[in-house]
Amino acid sequence: DIQMTQSPSSLSASVGDRVTITCQASQDITNYLNWYQQKPGKAPKLLIYDASNLETGVPSRFSGSGSGTDFTFTISSLQPEDIATYYCQQFDNLPLTFGGGTKVEIK
Amino acid sequence: QVTLKESGPALVKPTQTLTLTCSFSGFSLNSNGMRVSWIRQPPGKALEWLAHIDWDDDKFYSTSLKTRLTISKDPSKNQVVLTMTNMDPVDTATYYCARMIRGGVFDYWGQGPLVTVSS
Repeated sequence: DIQMTQSPSSLSASVGDRVTITCQASQDITNYLNWYQQKPGKAPKLLIYDASNLETGVPSRFSGSGSGTDFTFTISSLQPEDIATYYCQQFDNLPLTFGGGTKVEIK
Repeated sequence: QVTLKESGPALVKPTQTLTLTCSFSGFSLNSNGMRVSWIRQPPGKALEWLAHIDWDDDKFYSTSLKTRLTISKDPSKNQVVLTMTNMDPVDTATYYCARMIRGGVFDYWGQGPLVTVSS
């Protein structure tokens, strides 16, 4: 199984800050990597697919980059409504696997 | 408009079999490339993919759970059913169904009921 390692597991930042989350795959997954946002008590929501493509309707302050084994998710200017846990997920190989999540809080 | 909704028991006893139904609308599971997955999340923990079923009835399961899982579909009813045998308290989780496109992108999710395993 492909292991997805996210870091940090949590972070605290101020409104307007640039926030970066990393996700490392245990083997090359080319660009078969998605990012989801999950707010408390809600289902996850797709933000980024294929490592860098913004899902329709998602604000442009969210972005993704990377390929191979190392990926980055960025919020260019943190907003209060971005408080959530963010997950990466690979779909290069079955079983599909998720990272452990990064909880983003406001400082 | 694509929607998915899970239904099933909120409480099951250890050793019992869990049966969950995903009722969906806004797309057809007969369409080439369409898939429906089940994903679970224990309280306070990360997401775990369990299984998916393809438009052509191919089925795929989690490595660690495949002996306990069965997924099936009824396209005429727009439903996908997941059964999990021999439930244990560690299986307590929110169980989501999700539409899966392009081989592994979950673009729409159900609300996910919490299933508690307890005697």
